[in-house]
Amino acid sequence: KQEVTQIPAALSVPEGENLVLNCSFTDSAIYNLQWFRQDPGKGLTSLLLIQSSQREQTSGRLNASLDKSSGRSTLYIAASQPGDSATYLCAVRGNNYGQNFVFGPGTRLSVLP
Amino acid sequence: DTGVSQNPRHKITKRGQNVTFRCDPISEHNRLYWYRQTLGQGPEFLTYFQNEAQLEKSRLLSDRFSAERPKGSFSTLEIQRTEQGDSAMYLCASRPQGMNTEAFFGQGTRLTVV
Repeated sequence: KQEVTQIPAALSVPEGENLVLNCSFTDSAIYNLQWFRQDPGKGLTSLLLIQSSQREQTSGRLNASLDKSSGRSTLYIAASQPGDSATYLCAVRGNNYGQNFVFGPGTRLSVLP
Repeated sequence: DTGVSQNPRHKITKRGQNVTFRCDPISEHNRLYWYRQTLGQGPEFLTYFQNEAQLEKSRLLSDRFSAERPKGSFSTLEIQRTEQGDSAMYLCASRPQGMNTEAFFGQGTRLTVV
């Protein structure tokens, strides 16, 4: 059974800092990993999708890396802004548990002005 | 591309009533998912459609829950005889055909059972 964990559960940083969010998964047989952002009471916004054959993906100030063999992914946010405050979720999809995504519990990020 | 649309956004119902939610996926996305999310938790998988076929169902989907996707376009999720434990955010997602395509989520339907 795939299990996904995210560390830390919550993070508070001053504006302008660079930060790293961590995602770990137990079954390395994945098709891909996707990072999402969720604002309070809202749905999920896709940030980055990394294929299992890729090592990293970049979008603006975001960079996501994937180390499939060790079951880890990191989301790097450069020059954080108050508007980055949200919960960040990672999800994996693999060939051992059907077509669905398995989510971690999320990291709640607060960027202080 | 108007994104994944879910209706209603909020639903308050009395225990024991039936409720139905609707999801309109991004056009031409043939894969559609339903997830449930409770406060402080990540979303949990409920069910998956490929076109009109319901191919996967979680054990979370009790016999009070039913989902359909007639004609492979919009989908509905019905909960019969609602219980307070059904209170949650119900999320719908879609993605195009292909092994490694990106999934897009709707804004969710917040259900409160009183």
